[in-house]
Amino acid sequence: DAGITQSPRHKVTETGTPVTLRCHQTENHRYMYWYRQDPGHGLRLIHYSYGVKDTDKGEVSDGYSVSRSKTEDFLLTLESATSSQTSVYFCAISEQISMGYGYTFGSGTRLTVV
Amino acid sequence: DQQVKQNSPSLSVQEGRISILNCDYTNSMFDYFLWYKKYPAEGPTFLISISSIKDKNEDGRFTVFLNKSAKHLSLHIVPSQPGDSAVYFCAGYTGGGNKLTFGTGTQLKVEL
Repeated sequence: DAGITQSPRHKVTETGTPVTLRCHQTENHRYMYWYRQDPGHGLRLIHYSYGVKDTDKGEVSDGYSVSRSKTEDFLLTLESATSSQTSVYFCAISEQISMGYGYTFGSGTRLTVV
Repeated sequence: DQQVKQNSPSLSVQEGRISILNCDYTNSMFDYFLWYKKYPAEGPTFLISISSIKDKNEDGRFTVFLNKSAKHLSLHIVPSQPGDSAVYFCAGYTGGGNKLTFGTGTQLKVEL
């Protein structure tokens, strides 16, 4: 396997509660990403990291925060979950993207906000 | 602003025939284009890529064609197999921030 795991795989939470999703890698890759997948929107970047404690926003970052205190872990936090954040969340890892090399994705976390 | 577009949300083909999945882009700065394949309940996996300086790249049953003047690329699968049934995403890479920009995906169904 690619050495990337996401937890939990499934979660149901109530509106207004905080939620943290975890991405863990064993590949020692520099870059880590959080995407969400929604029908009609494909994969949209939430936040990404280019090193320990180095993070930046993606195109749909509102309502989300991230932290990366170790190379292997990238946490995504929904400070106060809303129904619009019901989605499938994918973590990805990468070294420098080049011809024939892109991301390796985790298996996803299905989050339902009720 | 959708920089990468896949205008066909779904495609159905018969086993053994050719599948053609299309992708259009607006950003002329993309250096590479990558195709990913996604099965239900799994993460996307890398399939094939092409450099912006090429017009064709082939890997077994999969061929990607790039038409830079039209800002269009296509993925051909020949012959199509039932195991090819999946969602296919195209993505572009500009070299900035080491990030991929994905399209909305096309659901391919290969029927027996």
